[in-house]
Amino acid sequence: VLTQSPTASASLGASVKLTCTLTRGPTTYAIAWHQQQPEKGPRYLMKVNSDGSHIKGDGISDRFSGSSSGTERYLTISGLQSEDEADYYCQTWGSGVVVFGGGTKLTVL
Amino acid sequence: QVQLVQSAAELKKPGASVKVSCKTSGYTFSNHGITWVRQAPGQGLEWMGWISAANGNTNYAEKFQARVSLTIDTYTTTAYMEVRSLTSDDTAVYYCAKGDIDPLDYWGQGTLVTVSS
Repeated sequence: VLTQSPTASASLGASVKLTCTLTRGPTTYAIAWHQQQPEKGPRYLMKVNSDGSHIKGDGISDRFSGSSSGTERYLTISGLQSEDEADYYCQTWGSGVVVFGGGTKLTVL
Repeated sequence: QVQLVQSAAELKKPGASVKVSCKTSGYTFSNHGITWVRQAPGQGLEWMGWISAANGNTNYAEKFQARVSLTIDTYTTTAYMEVRSLTSDDTAVYYCAKGDIDPLDYWGQGTLVTVSS
């Protein structure tokens, strides 16, 4: 239902855009993005709606933003820092079921 | 502030059961469900099921329907997850998270369950 590229990389200080593609179900589905730093639990980043609006979690940096286009939901991280090196998971829900994407491992070069 | 604090790591033998707790605070417990997610070593996040803290209704992933039970104690605002008939494939970190059919906006710190003879 949710497809993510397994890996991504970008340089320190640059920006990166991660993609989560809805492969089944209505294109109106919202998703949530979660960050998992090495050896830590997941942390909620934001909810991204089908219209591109997003609502961030408590204390999430302005460097993180969300957007949307059709069946794709995006997470953009600007001004990359070393602590942004992590796994990023998208999550959606519907018909009583919760689904996670396979995750994208982001490497900061 | 919102907190979900899970019980300590467990070592279990194959065939045994394990019960993990998730103590919540900082929000109105009955207004939000609790979802359980597991992560096997080196793998991604896997949804196990959720429980409504308003009425105790549950929904399980088909894979876990027969072996997992989710419960809540509204007086102590604590959620519980029990897994029965453990095998080595159940070795994983188990997480609770606030929310059910919506964004999971707060997570517990995780509980490592190791199944080994």
